[in-house]
Amino acid sequence: EIVLTQSPGTLSLSPGERATLSCRASQSVTSNYLAWYQQKPGQAPRLLIYGATSRATGIPDRFSGSGSGTDFTLTISRLEPEDFVVYYCQQYGSVPRTFGQGTKVEIK
Amino acid sequence: EEQLVESGGGVVQPGGSLRLSCVASGFTFSSYSMNWVRQAPGKGLEWVSYISSSSGTIYYADSVKGRFTISRDNAKKSLHLQMTSLRDEDTAVYYCARGFMGAIGAWGQGALVAVSS
Repeated sequence: EIVLTQSPGTLSLSPGERATLSCRASQSVTSNYLAWYQQKPGQAPRLLIYGATSRATGIPDRFSGSGSGTDFTLTISRLEPEDFVVYYCQQYGSVPRTFGQGTKVEIK
Repeated sequence: EEQLVESGGGVVQPGGSLRLSCVASGFTFSSYSMNWVRQAPGKGLEWVSYISSSSGTIYYADSVKGRFTISRDNAKKSLHLQMTSLRDEDTAVYYCARGFMGAIGAWGQGALVAVSS
């Protein structure tokens, strides 16, 4: 099983700042099949990034994904008020399709 | 509008059974793989099970293997999760989730399953 470790657990930033979220895999993710999701309180998650770098439909271009192998990053170039929520990474290249434990982005 | 609507959640005693259903609308259900993902109260996401568009490929998380069964009816645009031998740790919101390029591109609103005596 591939274990995904997200860091930091909580990220304290101000609106307008740049956010860098990390997702590290215990072994190489097949074909860089790595996705990022955003979850707002009381809502289902929403797909942001798939294939490590591709933005999903309707996702603002301030969200970008990078990385390969075992190290992946979600970058939010300039934080908007609605971005202060929880983010999860998931690998779907092997079974079981594991999620990271999440990173909460909070207002500083 | 694309929609996934879960039903069948509720309170069940340990060792009991429950069947979740999910009805899809607004897209060609038979063309997509589907998943169940759960989230325990205040916790992160846990992938539970996957079924391919034709039901030819099925996967389970180790935590539910042998106890849960995923199935689908493409004619009725529905997805199901039969859950048996339920444990306290199965308490969670269960999301019906549509595949997209291998990831999860759409989610239902979730169904709460509470295992409690």
